[in-house]
Amino acid sequence: DVKVTQSSRYLVKRTGEKVFLECVQDMDHENMFWYRQDPGLGLRLIYFSYDVKMKEKGDIPEGYSVSREKKERFSLILESASTNQTSMYLCASEQRTFSTDTQYFGPGTRLTVL
Amino acid sequence: QKEVEQNSGPLSVPEGAIASLNCTYSDRGSQSFFWYRQYSGKSPELIMFIYSNGDKEDGRFTAQLNKASQYVSLLIRDSQPSDSATYLCAVFSTDKLIFGTGTRLQVFP
Repeated sequence: DVKVTQSSRYLVKRTGEKVFLECVQDMDHENMFWYRQDPGLGLRLIYFSYDVKMKEKGDIPEGYSVSREKKERFSLILESASTNQTSMYLCASEQRTFSTDTQYFGPGTRLTVL
Repeated sequence: QKEVEQNSGPLSVPEGAIASLNCTYSDRGSQSFFWYRQYSGKSPELIMFIYSNGDKEDGRFTAQLNKASQYVSLLIRDSQPSDSATYLCAVFSTDKLIFGTGTRLQVFP
């Protein structure tokens, strides 16, 4: 079974704080993703990574950065948290083969920025 | 035009009925299609994927794909209250997985 874990289920931070969200997967997948999910807007891709030390911007990268120092770990960083970054953050790990490409999600981190 | 469109619902069906969830997509070159189920407060969970035109069945779930019409659907037979959740359609397009906003399904006893 694929296991994707996220460092916190709930997090409350203040405006201007630096926030780290961590994601770890145990299936040796090369591809990892960070999404945010908001009511009515669905899942929106923030950043993704196809390999260690590689990162690619998704659809809404502004205000975020990422770090992938090890294959199993993909961190999302909010450099200076703002109230509009209050959201559910979901990490996913992807198994991509010749015929399949399946994403497995972590449990999510509900972040509130006050 | 949104890349992946779903009716937000809620879709309400009685227990034991067939629930039909629909999704359209804009990228004609898409090859892979997925259905995720998301319970309230939880993360999405993959329940079906389909690559070929036609039907794919897995237990009470059937995914249907029509590439000519750019349409994918999910049928849930013998719906149960435990099927009440939001169902997300996802399409693999331009090397990314694009999600719809989801359809909320309510199965009432």
